[in-house]
Amino acid sequence: ETGVTQSPTHLIKTRGQQVTLRCSSQSGHNTVSWYQQALGQGPQFIFQYYREEENGRGNFPPRFSGLQFPNYSSELNVNALELDDSALYLCASSRPREEAFFGQGTRLTVV
Amino acid sequence: EDQVTQSPEALRLQEGESSSLNCSYTVSGLRGLFWYRQDPGKGPEFLFTLYSAGEEKEKERLKATLTKKESFLHITAPKPEDSATYLCAVQALGGSEKLVFGKGTKLTVNP
Repeated sequence: ETGVTQSPTHLIKTRGQQVTLRCSSQSGHNTVSWYQQALGQGPQFIFQYYREEENGRGNFPPRFSGLQFPNYSSELNVNALELDDSALYLCASSRPREEAFFGQGTRLTVV
Repeated sequence: EDQVTQSPEALRLQEGESSSLNCSYTVSGLRGLFWYRQDPGKGPEFLFTLYSAGEEKEKERLKATLTKKESFLHITAPKPEDSATYLCAVQALGGSEKLVFGKGTKLTVNP
């Protein structure tokens, strides 16, 4: 069984640029959630997708957007990058009402 | 607003020295409480889900317990490989299945 995979693993972007992060969900999982984890903090919920529809959003501005595809993989897009967007971005997949499994994360650095 | 507080922030143990980590929570209605282990620069690794007060789960040297206000992660005779950050998260009934995380407890086990 293939786990959750994220790409890229590391990324450096300049302030004001746009970035797309990708996530392949675990086999059989139709729910994908994205989290932002700043250094020394717990993960913060960005949004969740269930069967290609957004199913909840955290306290993040509209420049954070996402997609889920028919194969349940997902993208996180961030526009107009700010220095404070530097963090570890985590994708998690799950079946409804079951535990979530996380990928290894994408480390984004904004300079 | 759902909230999770973990204590202590950091804990240093000698190999074989048992201890407990605390997770206090407030949630509108608890669907589940989750424990994850996170190694530096990696995604969280699922450990346990607890659903109701009085429930206990064990895995190797770890045992998780749940009351109506808090959860404990007991570590018995820890080994250096147990060194990691342990994250606690709650999931509320209804709506999206987002996880609300605490900041974690960083555990270091010295040989």
